[in-house]
Amino acid sequence: GQNIDQPTEMTATEGAIVQINCTYQTSGFNGLFWYQQHAGEAPTFLSYNVLDGLEEKGRFSSFLSRSKGYSYLLLKELQMKDSASYLCAVRDSNYQLIWGAGTKLIIKP
Amino acid sequence: GAVVSQHPSRVICKSGTSVKIECRSLDFQATTMFWYRQFPKQSLMLMATSNEGSKATYEQGVEKDKFLINHASLTLSTLTVTSAHPEDSSFYICSASSGGDSQPQHFGDGTRLSIL
Repeated sequence: GQNIDQPTEMTATEGAIVQINCTYQTSGFNGLFWYQQHAGEAPTFLSYNVLDGLEEKGRFSSFLSRSKGYSYLLLKELQMKDSASYLCAVRDSNYQLIWGAGTKLIIKP
Repeated sequence: GAVVSQHPSRVICKSGTSVKIECRSLDFQATTMFWYRQFPKQSLMLMATSNEGSKATYEQGVEKDKFLINHASLTLSTLTVTSAHPEDSSFYICSASSGGDSQPQHFGDGTRLSIL
């Protein structure tokens, strides 16, 4: 079966750095996406990785290792507004998007 | 760019009513649109995928006669919840993609449906 694992909840301090991990087992791989979802709102696109390595976008970076079936989202200089759920999603060989359950990130002052 | 508009944002209605939700891509052509539902504190659950001009592909367990999807153009898809009941109360979210390997799904703001 297809499976995406990410921690249920993480807590971090304002101004710090946090890494949210995602591991996946899917039938084929055609890219991995990270989305941010604030409570009661729809997800917004953060990043896309299809090749191994690090993609940097301002305070957010996303890393992929296809051989390990592993990705992480790195958030630097955390702000209170970064409190949200972070969803990892993998596109499989049929171009279906398989969603993780999301990681709820709590930022404390 | 890549704005998806979803309307209405909130619906409260009586049991037995049919509710139509619209999803529009405002500044791009959406070759594929997706409909999700999300219960509180749970992840997104894909209901169906639709391509313009063809019938929607429903996920297992989703009743196609209950959740009618029409993807009439490259910028508009509608979801109609027919004869809605309290158990249909949920957060319904549409997303749209312009196709291409690196293109993400862009989400509408969602519709919170409450059936009394």
